[in-house]
Amino acid sequence: AQSVTQPDIHITVSEGASLELRCNYSYGATPYLFWYVQSPGQGLQLLLKYFSGDTLVQGIKGFEAEFKRSQSSFNLRKPSVHWSDAAEYFCAVGAGYGNKLVFGAGTILRVKS
Amino acid sequence: GAVVSQHPSRVICKSGTSVKIECRSLDFQATTMFWYRQFPKQSLMLMATSNEGSKATYEQGVEKDKFLINHASLTLSTLTVTSAHPEDSSFYICSAPQDGQETQYFGPGTRLLVL
Repeated sequence: AQSVTQPDIHITVSEGASLELRCNYSYGATPYLFWYVQSPGQGLQLLLKYFSGDTLVQGIKGFEAEFKRSQSSFNLRKPSVHWSDAAEYFCAVGAGYGNKLVFGAGTILRVKS
Repeated sequence: GAVVSQHPSRVICKSGTSVKIECRSLDFQATTMFWYRQFPKQSLMLMATSNEGSKATYEQGVEKDKFLINHASLTLSTLTVTSAHPEDSSFYICSAPQDGQETQYFGPGTRLLVL
């Protein structure tokens, strides 16, 4: 069965500092991996996704993520965090086309000025 | 990009009543839609998979008679919470993958409060 672990429940970074949010997955085949962001009381917005090919994927808002098969990881990074990045971030894994997603527990990002 | 809408965005109801939540794909067709539930400060938990023209597939532990799902057309799925109780209060989110595509698009969510 698929599972996703986001080991950090909360992360606080200073504005302008770099960010890395960790995500580890468990899945028997090549996974479809996603990062979503959710602002309070809102739905989910897709930041980026990985299906195949280049293991470093670029997303919106300056985010990127790297798929490392050997570590079963798909960590999200941003070189310089903005105050507007404060939100909750979810890593998710899917089995393929149109399949259901399994979400991690989420990481709440706080940005201090 | 593809847009998914939900209606209503918020609903307050009395215990024992039923509430219907709509999920629409606005500019694409979706033979499959997913319904998730999110408790405060928790992740999204898949409740069921809604299939156009056939019965929904429910996740283990989800009462199908309590959470009725109807996928009436290629752009509309509805979730009806029957005989709602305070413990059903939650944030309900739907998602839809565009047919033939890998990415799922999420609705803005519906906040349900049962008094």
